[in-house]
Amino acid sequence: QLQLQESGPGLVKPSETLSLTCTVSGGSISSSTYYWGWIRQPPGKGLEWIASIYYSGSTYYNPSLRGRVTISVDTSKNQFSLKLSSVTAADTAVYYCARLPSDSGSWLPLDIWGQGTMVTVSS
Amino acid sequence: DIVMTQSPDSLAVSLGERATINCKSSQSVLYSSNNKNYLAWYQQKPGQPPKLLIYWASTRESGVPDRFSGSGSGTDFTLTISSLQAEDVAVYYCQQYYGTPFFFGQGTKLEIK
Repeated sequence: QLQLQESGPGLVKPSETLSLTCTVSGGSISSSTYYWGWIRQPPGKGLEWIASIYYSGSTYYNPSLRGRVTISVDTSKNQFSLKLSSVTAADTAVYYCARLPSDSGSWLPLDIWGQGTMVTVSS
Repeated sequence: DIVMTQSPDSLAVSLGERATINCKSSQSVLYSSNNKNYLAWYQQKPGQPPKLLIYWASTRESGVPDRFSGSGSGTDFTLTISSLQAEDVAVYYCQQYYGTPFFFGQGTKLEIK
């Protein structure tokens, strides 16, 4: 069955760039019916959608983070990635990657999630 | 942006009793061309990622027990657990997928009374 696994540094210094990768196994990231996304959750708080990407490179970003976020895809490695620049303590969170189905231009809910990776921003 | 607001923030219910969580969207998430509400419910247990429970406001995901049900249309939605079980202790989130940016509700923490 399809699985997603986040990876990346657990500690990032303020003002630096957070970089995470999500590896998709048990299925192809190049499937025509799915986007792939990042969602984060600060400790003890709720969920915030960050960005989503299609295998072709089409992207959607949360405007609240636009300018600091870049999402990319590497179909040869069946991976997609997140970069968040100029991080502050407010970016400390569990970062999840997830699958986002799409049907005929219409969205569906996030149906498969990775286990999440905790990223702390601290000097 | 379509912002989601849940109520209550927390809820304590006795085992076997009904639990009801409400979710309100700032704009309608009902798409007129297909008459579908772009509203999902997720369950998140401690240390775990969210799990999709319900989509299209009332369709249970495969494997979700039938004590979970969703209702509502337009801007007002409800998640009901008909008979609370111990394993239902979790935080529940609603989410609109009508359009980006996707917003989640702030979450409702469900506990046993």
